[in-house]
Amino acid sequence: DTGVSQDPRHKITKRGQNVTFRCDPISEHNRLYWYRQTLGQGPEFLTYFQNEAQLEKSRLLSDRFSAERPKGSFSTLEIQRTEQGDSAMYLCASSSRAGGTGELFFGEGSRLTVL
Amino acid sequence: AQSVTQPDIHITVSEGASLELRCNYSYGATPYLFWYVQSPGQGLQLLLKYFSGDTLVQGIKGFEAEFKRSQSSFNLRKPSVHWSDAAEYFCAVGAGSGGGADGLTFGKGTHLIIQP
Repeated sequence: DTGVSQDPRHKITKRGQNVTFRCDPISEHNRLYWYRQTLGQGPEFLTYFQNEAQLEKSRLLSDRFSAERPKGSFSTLEIQRTEQGDSAMYLCASSSRAGGTGELFFGEGSRLTVL
Repeated sequence: AQSVTQPDIHITVSEGASLELRCNYSYGATPYLFWYVQSPGQGLQLLLKYFSGDTLVQGIKGFEAEFKRSQSSFNLRKPSVHWSDAAEYFCAVGAGSGGGADGLTFGKGTHLIIQP
């Protein structure tokens, strides 16, 4: 079990640039989540996939944000025309439908700094 | 909508002393409750979870939590803290379906400081 992995761990970019984060979930997990965490706050839900289908998106996810999970395996989160307010830790988590316990397994996150 | 309140932003405890971190939730049905721990710059690790049954649940690293429906609380406890317990602790509530925006809602966290 390799756990949830995220890449890159850190990204520094200039305002207006595009960035993309990748998440590889635990292999047998069919559910994948993206959360955003700003300093001093708990994680906030962004979006959720079951297999390749994106089933829900938070109102926090503006039009500049897009997420995909093309084959129901890894996922990407792209932010276009980054703004300073996008600076945060982007956390990916996965879970298994089996058992329906709702437990999420988190990656170590991708920290974004927008200058 | 579900919500979680962690009333204490910071808590300082001496090493070896007991610990209790408070968590209150709002949810319309029987909640699924979780405590996660986050070390600086790291992701979240699950400490323990409650779904049903015994209201006192045991977790990893010597932590336990008690679900009190009448108080809508799920407080985390540890009888004797170690310096390595210094971290951010998050309480979360879920619908149990494991999916969607209602999957897990987190509190804002409690920062635990351990004094030598």
